[in-house]
Amino acid sequence: QKEVEQNSGPLSVPEGAIASLNCTYSDRVSQSFFWYRQYSGKSPELIMSIYSNGDKEDGRFTAQLNKASQYVSLLIRDSQPSDSATYLCAVRRGRDDKIIFGKGTRLHILP
Amino acid sequence: DAGVTQSPTHLIKTRGQQVTLRCSPKSGHDTVSWYQQALGQGPQFIFQYYEEEERQRGNFPDRFSGHQFPNYSSELNVNALLLGDSALYLCASSINRGSSYEQYFGPGTRLTVT
Repeated sequence: QKEVEQNSGPLSVPEGAIASLNCTYSDRVSQSFFWYRQYSGKSPELIMSIYSNGDKEDGRFTAQLNKASQYVSLLIRDSQPSDSATYLCAVRRGRDDKIIFGKGTRLHILP
Repeated sequence: DAGVTQSPTHLIKTRGQQVTLRCSPKSGHDTVSWYQQALGQGPQFIFQYYEEEERQRGNFPDRFSGHQFPNYSSELNVNALLLGDSALYLCASSINRGSSYEQYFGPGTRLTVT
């Protein structure tokens, strides 16, 4: 089992709809969770961090964390073509604080 | 507020050569982590520097080494380059206090080994 797993996609979502990106992790004592956006040929950009169970909202983005299910998700409301990118889930491992990334999910917003 | 900077932007080296990549952290940050990102993959952790010492290391051979300077800037050195070392090398900076652990990436250095 990979430490951080994401569906590689591509995930195609119509403009204006909600995009839902999912991530599971294997280290049960992980403490911190991050979502990064990466445009093609660019470096990752931090868009959300979440540390406790529940939802955290920031503008059109909502991160959801369920530690019991070892699951973290990112919702993007009112999707725009500019949201088309690869979204990377990252988890701070509990046993040594290393931050481990998933392979990313490619999101394509259809105009 | 200056963000994370890296140099050079692109680099082409020949197999067997050595390379040095440089990183300056975001203003106020004291911790630097280096990642390797191959095409279509997520960033892979190489190592992290804090207080001029390597604090953590990922599953990379000893050919990969680093250094952190008193001004918190950092270098990544790779010896005896292999074709498989071709990748985007990312530097991320963070603050070593509190429980945030938020990391901010620089623009990266694209290394091509021929």
